[in-house]
Amino acid sequence: GDSVTQMEGPVTLSEEAFLTINCTYTATGYPSLFWYVQYPGEGLQLLLKATKADDKGSNKGFEATYRKETTSFHLEKGSVQVSDSAVYFCALSVRDNYGQNFVFGPGTRLSVLP
Amino acid sequence: GAGVSQSPSNKVTEKGKDVELRCDPISGHTALYWYRQSLGQGLEFLIYFQGNSAPDKSGLPSDRFSAERTGGSVSTLTIQRTQQEDSAVYLCASSLRVSGGGEQFFGPGTRLTVL
Repeated sequence: GDSVTQMEGPVTLSEEAFLTINCTYTATGYPSLFWYVQYPGEGLQLLLKATKADDKGSNKGFEATYRKETTSFHLEKGSVQVSDSAVYFCALSVRDNYGQNFVFGPGTRLSVLP
Repeated sequence: GAGVSQSPSNKVTEKGKDVELRCDPISGHTALYWYRQSLGQGLEFLIYFQGNSAPDKSGLPSDRFSAERTGGSVSTLTIQRTQQEDSAVYLCASSLRVSGGGEQFFGPGTRLTVL
């Protein structure tokens, strides 16, 4: 079946450190890939997405590249800020026999210290 | 407001009682989704609607769970004979239409506690 695996958290970094959150997926079809973020006290919101292989999604200094050969969509940021502290969810959407399937990873909590 | 709204924000109920959770999607969004987020778990996809139709109900955890959507707008998720393992945050999202690459806009969730 379809699944998303992302690195266990929590991740604690100092401000201006480099961030990588790994995400790999399994899908029966050709999925679209997403990173959603949940800031403290807020609802989930889309951070970035990629809909085909080798596409790079980017937003707010975050980037992720759709790698079909390694079935990965790792999230990176060159210099994190305290305001990036949140829970990050990797997700996929893929067409199946019934319509569309949506799978989210367990989330990775990021804490950035000043 | 312009966002997805859910009610109630919190619901505490006794084991065995029925509960109804409501979702108001963004106006004009034809697709609506329900998820469940249990403590320490990711989001578990439950069901989606395209208009008033739900093509696949296999994601609902048991036959105690049902969902409906009327008028292409408001949706209710009903849990009958609640159990303690139903305790979770239930999230609703909507999008312009169901498509692989589309963004889903999430509501704030309903936190359900079954005693």
